[in-house]
Amino acid sequence: GQNIDQPTEMTATEGAIVQINCTYQTSGFNGLFWYQQHAGEAPTFLSYNVLDGLEEKGRFSSFLSRSKGYSYLLLKELQMKDSASYLCAVLKGGSYIPTFGRGTSLIVHP
Amino acid sequence: NAGVMQNPRHLVRRRGQEARLRCSPMKGHSHVYWYRQLPEEGLKFMVYLQKENIIDESGMPKERFSAEFPKEGPSILRIQQVVRGDSAAYFCASSPPGTGVNTEAFFGQGTRLTVV
Repeated sequence: GQNIDQPTEMTATEGAIVQINCTYQTSGFNGLFWYQQHAGEAPTFLSYNVLDGLEEKGRFSSFLSRSKGYSYLLLKELQMKDSASYLCAVLKGGSYIPTFGRGTSLIVHP
Repeated sequence: NAGVMQNPRHLVRRRGQEARLRCSPMKGHSHVYWYRQLPEEGLKFMVYLQKENIIDESGMPKERFSAEFPKEGPSILRIQQVVRGDSAAYFCASSPPGTGVNTEAFFGQGTRLTVV
């Protein structure tokens, strides 16, 4: 089976940095996705990691440690529009189907 | 290039009626995935289809639910004899063929089904 754990909710201040963690246990591993989902909207792709290390894309970075079953999404220079749910999803070995965690609701306040 | 199109965006059905949810994948995409999302819950996988084939339906309830992706036309998720517990947002995602496991899936806007 697969367990994917993320904090339910986080709050942060505009302009700050926030780190959203995701831990997983899976039979085999073929990569980890992060998606952003605004209320009532479609999830949108942020990142995909399959190798250990940090991948940076503008204000957003994603980190993976396969040995620890751990990833984080780092958001810098937070803006109000970053208030959304952030979904961690894992591809188990041999699968094309991402399994999603419950998501972390991020609230950015002024 | 239009994105993944789902319709209707909102659907209200009375208990016992049928619900039909449609998903047109992005142009050139031949893989379709259906997910269900309950309030405060994550996206739960239901079914993975390619044109005219169901590849994986391990997340689909055994009764009342069915899905198809015909050679022509959109993918359809069909829920017969709906019950209140079927009320949820149903998302469709599509991805291109043969591009490997790191293909990002593009999601539609979802259909919000309310059973009254």
